[in-house]
Amino acid sequence: AQKVTQAQTEISVVEKEDVTLDCVYETRDTTYYLFWYKQPPSGELVFLIRRNSFDEQNEISGRYSWNFQKSTSSFNFTITASQVVDSAVYFCALRTGNTGKLIFGQGTTLQVKP
Amino acid sequence: DTAVSQTPKYLVTQMGNDKSIKCEQNLGHDTMYWYKQDSKKFLKIMFSYNNKELIINETVPNRFSPKSPDKAHLNLHINSLELGDSAVYFCASSRNRLAGNTQYFGPGTRLTVL
Repeated sequence: AQKVTQAQTEISVVEKEDVTLDCVYETRDTTYYLFWYKQPPSGELVFLIRRNSFDEQNEISGRYSWNFQKSTSSFNFTITASQVVDSAVYFCALRTGNTGKLIFGQGTTLQVKP
Repeated sequence: DTAVSQTPKYLVTQMGNDKSIKCEQNLGHDTMYWYKQDSKKFLKIMFSYNNKELIINETVPNRFSPKSPDKAHLNLHINSLELGDSAVYFCASSRNRLAGNTQYFGPGTRLTVL
């Protein structure tokens, strides 16, 4: 079965703190893709990153970085020097070729206080 | 230009009514999707069409019927609306049905059934 778990329901930090959002996934497929999406208070879903199962290189994009570890089936997301505009719900998602379905985690609500 | 658009953005209706939500994408994508986000923010796929052909049909009441007149449009018709249908419905599209393709989401339609 395919599953994505985001154990942190809500996280609250003060601006400029670093914060890591955890994502653990389950799949028996050897080829799969992992995604992160952001849902700000305005409600839309914004794509952040895609990573395939054969590429374990970490990725950095500005203040955002992602750590993919197949050994622990995790794809964690770190925001460095958080800002109030980072306040949103963040979703981790998994997709494999067999089902074609995008399986979402429960989401982590991040609140960044000024 | 909006890549994936949905109308209406808000829909308030009475139990028992029939309503439709429209979705259009101008990305030239072959594959489109409908997702439901419940009150706890959980996102779950409902349907997917690839070049007007239904390829994913989750366990959804048959009161929900998707229609794809062409590959740029995927509409969702709901008959005999029930209180439990209240949710945010997202349309999405991807280049094709392969797992590695990113899904881009519309702004969502908030449906409230009274």
